[in-house]
Amino acid sequence: GQQLNQSPQSMFIQEGEDVSMNCTSSSIFNTWLWYKQDPGEGPVLLIALYKAGELTSNGRLTAQFGITRKDSFLNISASIPSDVGIYFCAGFLIQGAQKLVFGQGTRLTINP
Amino acid sequence: GAVVSQHPSRVICKSGTSVKIECRSLDFQATTMFWYRQFPKQSLMLMATSNEGSKATYEQGVEKDKFLINHASLTLSTLTVTSAHPEDSSFYICSARRQLNTEAFFGQGTRLTVV
Repeated sequence: GQQLNQSPQSMFIQEGEDVSMNCTSSSIFNTWLWYKQDPGEGPVLLIALYKAGELTSNGRLTAQFGITRKDSFLNISASIPSDVGIYFCAGFLIQGAQKLVFGQGTRLTINP
Repeated sequence: GAVVSQHPSRVICKSGTSVKIECRSLDFQATTMFWYRQFPKQSLMLMATSNEGSKATYEQGVEKDKFLINHASLTLSTLTVTSAHPEDSSFYICSARRQLNTEAFFGQGTRLTVV
């Protein structure tokens, strides 16, 4: 079953607004990844985080790896229409066979 | 870049037949590949993890005899859906990574429809 809790599940915002979403878990991760998926396509990697406390930016996107290694957030600044899609957090568990597990996703809708 | 190519992108098959989906890492060697299944408006559910040259590790509830995974080389993994049934219809996606603790890149996905 799911080991990552992602919120919110959906967001409806106006173009130009900032967006924030996060993922939490009771398990410890050694890598956090953020992806965006468009309909009918595979997820595309946005940001990869490897160290606790790490803060990384990719253009208008900023993500952080929580100090406890159990959470991460993704911020999108000044949203534009092409930001529409589903955003997933994902992580490699420290325990076990390094499986890549996914959050439930955040569906972002932007009103022009 | 890191490109993962999945083929075919769409396939329709008859009940009882088998379908093979290929996942290739085009510009890097992938020690690990992951196979996922995704239902409409849902997240990606991990089916199995495969390491090159080893048997795949299946998630609980995934039938290994029905979903055959082969990872014969560092650039190719295949998923074969055997004796397909309509309930196997879904979006299947593969992912590949170079080594431990590195990011994973995804293929385009395969839309399987069993009629």
